[in-house]
Amino acid sequence: DAGVTQSPTHLIKTRGQQVTLRCSPKSGHDTVSWYQQALGQGPQFIFQYYEEEERQRGNFPDRFSGHQFPNYSSELNVNALLLGDSALYLCASSSGGGQNTEAFFGQGTRLTVV
Amino acid sequence: DQQVKQNSPSLSVQEGRISILNCDYTNSMFDYFLWYKKYPAEGPTFLISISSIKDKNEDGRFTVFLNKSAKHLSLHIVPSQPGDSAVYFCAAPKTGANNLFFGTGTRLTVIP
Repeated sequence: DAGVTQSPTHLIKTRGQQVTLRCSPKSGHDTVSWYQQALGQGPQFIFQYYEEEERQRGNFPDRFSGHQFPNYSSELNVNALLLGDSALYLCASSSGGGQNTEAFFGQGTRLTVV
Repeated sequence: DQQVKQNSPSLSVQEGRISILNCDYTNSMFDYFLWYKKYPAEGPTFLISISSIKDKNEDGRFTVFLNKSAKHLSLHIVPSQPGDSAVYFCAAPKTGANNLFFGTGTRLTVIP
């Protein structure tokens, strides 16, 4: 049983560019959340997708957007990249779209903006 | 606004001894708490949780204690093993949801 998989694992982009990160949830999970973990910090919630809709959003600008597909996989898009967007981006999957359930995390995508 | 706080960025413990990792929270509406462990180049993995209706939850070598009046919880690892060396995050879900507020983490080093 594959857990949460994210791609790519590492990425280098130039300031002002756009990036797309991908996530496949754990089998049986229908809810995907995205987190940003800056160096030395804990993960910060970006948004959550359930039933192909953004259900909750953290304190991130509109440059951060996402999508969930019918197979529950998800993408995170970041436009107009800033140096401060350099971080580890984590995808977490769970089930139930809003219940207090354990979230399973992928290994993350390390984004470096230069 | 950091609603979950871990004030000790690092902790070193001898193998076989007890490790105690602390966490404080500010939001009295939190009713469920989780601990995650993170190794380098891996995502956080769930370790143990506790509901606010309990003050203790135990799973093998890991025990979490919750003091609601002090808005404080702690994770005890007994006995500590070198494989426990990792970054430990305390987290709490937003009330009625499952997006998590994380602390900044404590790096535990267990010395053989």
